[in-house]
Amino acid sequence: QSVLTQPPSVSAAPGQKVTISCSGSSSNIGNNFVSWYQQLPGTAPKLLIYDNNKRPSGIPDRFSGSKSGTSATLGITGLQTGDEADYYCGTWDSSLSAWVFGGGTKLTVL
Amino acid sequence: EVQLLESGGGLVQPGGSLRLSCAASGFVFSSYAMSWVRQAPGKGLEWVSSISESGGSTNYADSVKGRFTISRDNSKNTLYLQMNSLRADDRAVYYCAKLGTTVVTPITNWGQGTLVTVSS
Repeated sequence: QSVLTQPPSVSAAPGQKVTISCSGSSSNIGNNFVSWYQQLPGTAPKLLIYDNNKRPSGIPDRFSGSKSGTSATLGITGLQTGDEADYYCGTWDSSLSAWVFGGGTKLTVL
Repeated sequence: EVQLLESGGGLVQPGGSLRLSCAASGFVFSSYAMSWVRQAPGKGLEWVSSISESGGSTNYADSVKGRFTISRDNSKNTLYLQMNSLRADDRAVYYCAKLGTTVVTPITNWGQGTLVTVSS
């Protein structure tokens, strides 16, 4: 059982928009920055979003992040088949003194 | 370019030990906190442990506390994970990860991972 809750799967058609939610508590998302990671099949995860809504260099602006209270959201617009991957949210949990991840969301681009 | 190269994975019997290493390059290793994150086959990411840039502060997941020890040698730009009393549920790909300047900052880079299999 993950500390952060994500939907197991989402799907949308190419060119459409999708959002992935990540729900936590005051000890993690509520008081710390959230990051998002993309894991393409058979590869290591890659940082997509950090500090709730910042994109590392090289990440297209089709990817966006937001946070409100104890929840965070990853948005992906202009979906491409190459976006099919598992997406994870993560943050520091101040009560646990530990990094915590969501269970991951599998994105299918139909 | 940041590079993180894990080694030391393999097959070990239950109750056995293994030491993972992560050779880092492309950044000032001694300025950044580091972590180990694992992923069991077909499962999600699980944070294992983090260490401060100096090595003076460490954190562990409850699932490995007392069995695993994280350490670093800043003179060799290398991160380690000593794993003792290994169990079947420790089987996973273990990723070395670079954080920001403190352990509460996000993971910015990941290694390619090394597979640990615990089986008799």
